[in-house]
Amino acid sequence: GQQVMQIPQYQHVQEGEDFTTYCNSSTTLSNIQWYKQRPGGHPVFLIQLVKSGEVKKQKRLTFQFGEAKKNSSLHITATQTTDVGTYFCAGPNQAGTALIFGKGTTLSVSS
Amino acid sequence: DTEVTQTPKHLVMGMTNKKSLKCEQHMGHRAMYWYKQKAKKPPELMFVYSYEKLSINESVPSRFSPECPNSSLLNLHLHALQPEDSALYLCASSQGGHLLDGYTFGSGTRLTVV
Repeated sequence: GQQVMQIPQYQHVQEGEDFTTYCNSSTTLSNIQWYKQRPGGHPVFLIQLVKSGEVKKQKRLTFQFGEAKKNSSLHITATQTTDVGTYFCAGPNQAGTALIFGKGTTLSVSS
Repeated sequence: DTEVTQTPKHLVMGMTNKKSLKCEQHMGHRAMYWYKQKAKKPPELMFVYSYEKLSINESVPSRFSPECPNSSLLNLHLHALQPEDSALYLCASSQGGHLLDGYTFGSGTRLTVV
């Protein structure tokens, strides 16, 4: 069945260090979305990528969509304690009716 | 209004109880979803309503019964649940029901079955 995989599962960094999470799909995706869930909170939409090779930036966050549209990455430059949380990638299910989520990468940051 | 409102925020119920979770949005979104999330796991799709019609049921047990009274409201009726059904139940909505729209999630109902 369709799978969306993410690595690493956990990442701990010192404040100011960079962080990257990677997302891989077993199938080609029409688009990929990224969400952030703070501890005790709910997922919040960050961004959507649609085009092959697309790169988008939001302040210290850089999102990439692979050329084959089967992988994506989220890079955070100079992490801050406010970046703590779990980052999920999500892609359309096979029926194209809803999103399926990767397992997520949980980021912890120490100051 | 850019929120999805879920009630109650917390619910404890016995295995013989019947309860309902409620979800409401006033963004004019035409697709609404129920997801279940266990601790340290990703959200898992349960139901999708698109234009008030159930368009997918991911083989969820019949003890969960969704209802969409109108385009702004989504309910999840619970009956004879099991302790393993304890989880965070998330409601989400998206604008058009096609997957080029980001989801807006509610803050969830944290359900404990005893």
